Amino acid sequence: DIQMTQSPSSVSASVGDRVTITCRASQGISSWLAWYQQKPGKAPKLLIYAASSLQSGVPSRFSGTESGTDFTLTISNLQPEDSATYYCQQAHSFPFTFGQGTKLEI
Amino acid sequence: EVQLVESGGGLVQPGGSLRLSCAVSGFTFNTFPMNWVRQAPGKGLEWISYISTSSSDIQYADSVRGRFTISRDNAKNSLYLQINSLRAEDTAVYYCARGMISDYWGQGTLVTVSS
Repeated sequence: DIQMTQSPSSVSASVGDRVTITCRASQGISSWLAWYQQKPGKAPKLLIYAASSLQSGVPSRFSGTESGTDFTLTISNLQPEDSATYYCQQAHSFPFTFGQGTKLEI
Repeated sequence: EVQLVESGGGLVQPGGSLRLSCAVSGFTFNTFPMNWVRQAPGKGLEWISYISTSSSDIQYADSVRGRFTISRDNAKNSLYLQINSLRAEDTAVYYCARGMISDYWGQGTLVTVSS
C-alpha cells in the first residue's frame, strides 16, 4: 500500500499569512494526488486535483505543487474561512490512501 | 446541480448489518466511478471502497474486505454499500463520493455500532 505522510499535523497562522502543507508518498504516484478541505460537520471539499490543478470555484490563493514524491499545498493571503482540516489523497493505486490531516487555525 | 444523498445509517448492534444508499442527481451517473469513504468520530478520512462505471472493477480496503459489498444501479442512479458483521470500529460517518478523484461528496450518514 502507498503511505501518505502529511505534515504538520496542526498549524496556526494569521490572516494574510501564507501556509504550506506537505504530503510525501511512499512511492511514485504520477500526479494522482488531490487536496481536500474539511470543516467541522461538513463533507470534504476538493481543492486541488492532479497535484496542481485548481478545482473550479476554488480561490486562486490555493495552489499545489509536486516534486517527485513530495506534494505541497500552499494557501496564500490566509482568510478566516480557511480555518479547516486539510487532507491529501493519492488515487494512483488501490487502496486509495489519505494523509493524516492538517488542522489549520487562523 | 450535482447532488449525492446518503441514507440508511443508524444504530446497530455488533455483528449486525446495514445497507447504505447514495442517491445521485444532476449528472450522468453511469459515466462516473464512485467511492465510499468513512470518518470515525474525531478521526481522519478512510477510503473504503470503489466501483467502476459498469461494476466490472470493485476494490475494498483491507479493513472491510469480506464484510462490505459495494454495488450500483445505474438505472436508478444509486450507489449502495452493504455492511455486514459490524464492529465497534466501523462506527463512522459514511460518505459517497463521485469520481476517481472525488469532486462531489454527499453529506454523509452516521453508522453507530454499539450494544
